[in-house]
Amino acid sequence: GENVEQHPSTLSVQEGDSAVIKCTYSDSASNYFPWYKQELGKRPQLIIDIRSNVGEKKDQRIAVTLNKTAKHFSLHITETQPEDSAVYFCALGEIDAGNMLTFGGGTRLMVKP
Amino acid sequence: NAGVTQTPKFQVLKTGQSMTLQCAQDMNHNSMYWYRQDPGMGLRLIYYSASEGTTDKGEVPNGYNVSRLNKREFSLRLESAAPSQTSVYFCASNRAGTYNEQFFGPGTRLTVL
Repeated sequence: GENVEQHPSTLSVQEGDSAVIKCTYSDSASNYFPWYKQELGKRPQLIIDIRSNVGEKKDQRIAVTLNKTAKHFSLHITETQPEDSAVYFCALGEIDAGNMLTFGGGTRLMVKP
Repeated sequence: NAGVTQTPKFQVLKTGQSMTLQCAQDMNHNSMYWYRQDPGMGLRLIYYSASEGTTDKGEVPNGYNVSRLNKREFSLRLESAAPSQTSVYFCASNRAGTYNEQFFGPGTRLTVL
């Protein structure tokens, strides 16, 4: 099956700094790339997604960039706040080949006040 | 709407015991999924059901069975639990067709002694 590697596994930043999480994949057929946030003890929730016909998507303080040639995509969080502390998962899938997703291993982000 | 619900929230089993994890959604979604989440390994797909009446294996199906009882309900059964099945189990659902957000249930924390 598809493989997706996520780095770093843990990330500690000072409040107000930016955080970047990167995922790389191997299957060039992948064309859907969502990011999920999971707070401690809670369920994963979608925060942003991107399809392969665009290179960047932004929603307030979060953005996702996609480089299909290099097969990597990244989550960018600016002006981090303590409530951004959570585990973030990238995922990918293939539109028109079912709704299944393959998830990365997760990044634990800690924002220090 | 309750969204995706799961029962039980917690369960402790002895090796060799059986149990069924229940999942239901009230969003009229076609597709439903079962994942397990282990530390550092992200979410791994156990089984999925693209539509009522169909089920398929995911990445880690061994030791599990599923039943898509109707459009709303998708259950996961462990016939003979093993300590390696200690994990947090999440059910998810989404609409069929082009990619749509997967909505997750609150999870079941299972410990097998």
